[in-house]
Amino acid sequence: EIVLTQSPGTLSLSPGARATLSCRASQSVSNNYLAWYQQKPGQAPRLLIYGASNRATGIPDRFSGSGSGTDFTLAISRLEPEDFAVYYCQQYGRSPYTFGQGTKLEIK
Amino acid sequence: QVQLRQSGPGLVKPSQTLSITCAISGDSVSSNGGAWNWIRQSPSRGLEWLGRTYYRFKWYNDYAASVKSRIAINPDTSKNQFSLQLNSVTPEDTAVYYCAREEARHYYYYGLDVWGQGTKVTVSS
Repeated sequence: EIVLTQSPGTLSLSPGARATLSCRASQSVSNNYLAWYQQKPGQAPRLLIYGASNRATGIPDRFSGSGSGTDFTLAISRLEPEDFAVYYCQQYGRSPYTFGQGTKLEIK
Repeated sequence: QVQLRQSGPGLVKPSQTLSITCAISGDSVSSNGGAWNWIRQSPSRGLEWLGRTYYRFKWYNDYAASVKSRIAINPDTSKNQFSLQLNSVTPEDTAVYYCAREEARHYYYYGLDVWGQGTKVTVSS
């Protein structure tokens, strides 16, 4: 099974700042099938990015994904108050699908 | 607009079977493209993918090794829904359970783009 390791565990930033979140895979992710999700308390995860770099429907362009193989990044430019949440990466290129442990983005 | 609506009990006794249903609107469980997944979330395990069912001219299932001996994910085409059954539950199975659609078109997969509202299940006597 592919293990995904996210860093940092917690990121403290101010609104308007830029956030960079990392996801490293223990093996190469097939077809770069790497997704990013945002989760707020009491809610289901929401798909932000699929295929490593493609924004899902309705996702603002301040969210961007990059990377390939084993190293992936989610960047959020100009943080808005509603962006403070927990972010997860997930690989869906090979069964079993796996998730990272999450990065909590908190207001500084 | 695709929506998934979950239903099922919030409390299950140890050794019994956990059953949750996910009703689909705006898509078909038997569409020859995507897949229908179950995921759970707990403080100890984080987000854990449990398995999926999908139709490619016949039905297939794909399960996580950690639950493979105890899980069944079944489509119900007459009601356009799919279900999760997890047998012989223990307190370790206490979690929020989610159903989710995995969209695919022309053999390209788009991730888990639609989620159910979640069902909080506690395993306790």
